[in-house]
Amino acid sequence: EPEVTQTPSHQVTQMGQEVILRCVPISNHLYFYWYRQILGQKVEFLVSFYNNEISEKSEIFDDQFSVERPDGSNFTLKIRSTKLEDSAMYFCASSEDRATEAFFGQGTRLTVV
Amino acid sequence: GENVGLHLPTLSVQEGDNSIINCAYSNSASDYFIWYKQESGKGPQFIIDIRSNMDKRQGQRVTVLLNKTVKHLSLQIAATQPGDSAVYFCAEMGGYSTLTFGKGTMLLVSP
Repeated sequence: EPEVTQTPSHQVTQMGQEVILRCVPISNHLYFYWYRQILGQKVEFLVSFYNNEISEKSEIFDDQFSVERPDGSNFTLKIRSTKLEDSAMYFCASSEDRATEAFFGQGTRLTVV
Repeated sequence: GENVGLHLPTLSVQEGDNSIINCAYSNSASDYFIWYKQESGKGPQFIIDIRSNMDKRQGQRVTVLLNKTVKHLSLQIAATQPGDSAVYFCAEMGGYSTLTFGKGTMLLVSP
């Protein structure tokens, strides 16, 4: 069964450092997403990406965040200067179309120290 | 503001019982809803979805009911098994492609 894969599974970084979280969405999917989940809290939307551009973003997704699809398979989330409060699980997801099943990856646990 | 919320944070049932997990939503413009299951340390796993032009949809052992009048969504799990123990989230799509998740309900199934 096709799946969304994320790397690394766990990333520890120092405050102020840049991090790049990587995702390989399901190959025939056209919509890509990043969500995050702070420990013990609900899953929060960050950004959606379609047709090589951001289609929606939340208030969380400020100037410190950026996304990129550098080639035909990878979808990345960059945090330019990490803060302690960026510590969370970051989930990548993809779907064939809008309002269709979004498949989630296993997540990257980001720990900012 | 608009939000999706859950009535019960924890639901404990016996193996074999039927489980019902409820969700209230407030965005009347939402047209697509999904139930996800999340096990510890894993990503959300799709269970079942429903569009706003339907009021009921059945899957394998699961049924989702949508009541647009009162903005209520429920997930029914038949013959609950220990492997069903997880946190269950409802999610709504009100924006173009944004899923807004509820707070989650922990389902605990005792053998």
